[in-house]
Amino acid sequence: NAGVTQTPKFQVLKTGQSMTLQCAQDMNHNSMYWYRQDPGMGLRLIYYSASEGTTDKGEVPNGYNVSRLNKREFSLRLESAAPSQTSVYFCASSPRTGGAGRNTEAFFGQGTRLTVV
Amino acid sequence: QKEVEQNSGPLSVPEGAIASLNCTYSDRVSQSFFWYRQYSGKSPELIMSIYSNGDKEDGRFTAQLNKASQYVSLLIRDSQPSDSATYLCAVNRMNRDDKIIFGKGTRLHILP
Repeated sequence: NAGVTQTPKFQVLKTGQSMTLQCAQDMNHNSMYWYRQDPGMGLRLIYYSASEGTTDKGEVPNGYNVSRLNKREFSLRLESAAPSQTSVYFCASSPRTGGAGRNTEAFFGQGTRLTVV
Repeated sequence: QKEVEQNSGPLSVPEGAIASLNCTYSDRVSQSFFWYRQYSGKSPELIMSIYSNGDKEDGRFTAQLNKASQYVSLLIRDSQPSDSATYLCAVNRMNRDDKIIFGKGTRLHILP
C-alpha cells in the first residue's frame, strides 16, 4: 500500500535547467495537488487537479507547469529553474467524494527536496 | 488578510497539560477543516477532520469548529513530548473550487 509516491527525493539543479517532478497515487483519488514549503511560509499551493484532464492554478503558479496524465499521475515541471524555486515540494491526493465536504482531506507524499544553484 | 491564519509560535506546554492550537479562516464557503501534524523533515500527517459546528474527539485530540466565528481549534490533552511538532490548519472550499489552503503552522514544544 504505497499511497502517494514522489520521485526523486532529492535533486540539485543549476539555474536555467529544467526538470519534472513525478507523483503517483494508488488510492484511486480524484484530486491531486502540488505544494511547496519554505521556512516560515507554510504549505503554498502551486497547482491542483480536481479530476483527470483538468488543472487549475493555486497561490504560486509562476514558473511551473503541470500535467494530469491520468487519474494516478500528476507531474510538476520547472522549465527554467531559478534559485527562488529552491524548496521542498509535496504532492498530495484527495478522494473528493461524499456530501457536505466529507472525504476531502489530502494525503501527502514524502516530498522532494530541490536545490537550485 | 491571509486566507488561513495561525499563530506561528512556538507554543510551549508542560508535559501532561492541555495544548490549545487556534486557526481562523476568511472564506465563509469553506466546508472542510483539517489539522495536520508535521515533524521536522517529514511530510504532513492528517490527525483530525471536522465538517460541522461543534466538537469532534479522537483519543487525546479534540477539534472544535465555529463557522459563525470562522474559527477552528485543536486541543491536545495529556500532552506528550512526542506531540512536539508543527501543527498545520487547512481548509477546503469545495463550493468555490477544490483548493485545500494551509496556514503557516504553529510550532508546539512539549516541555518534559
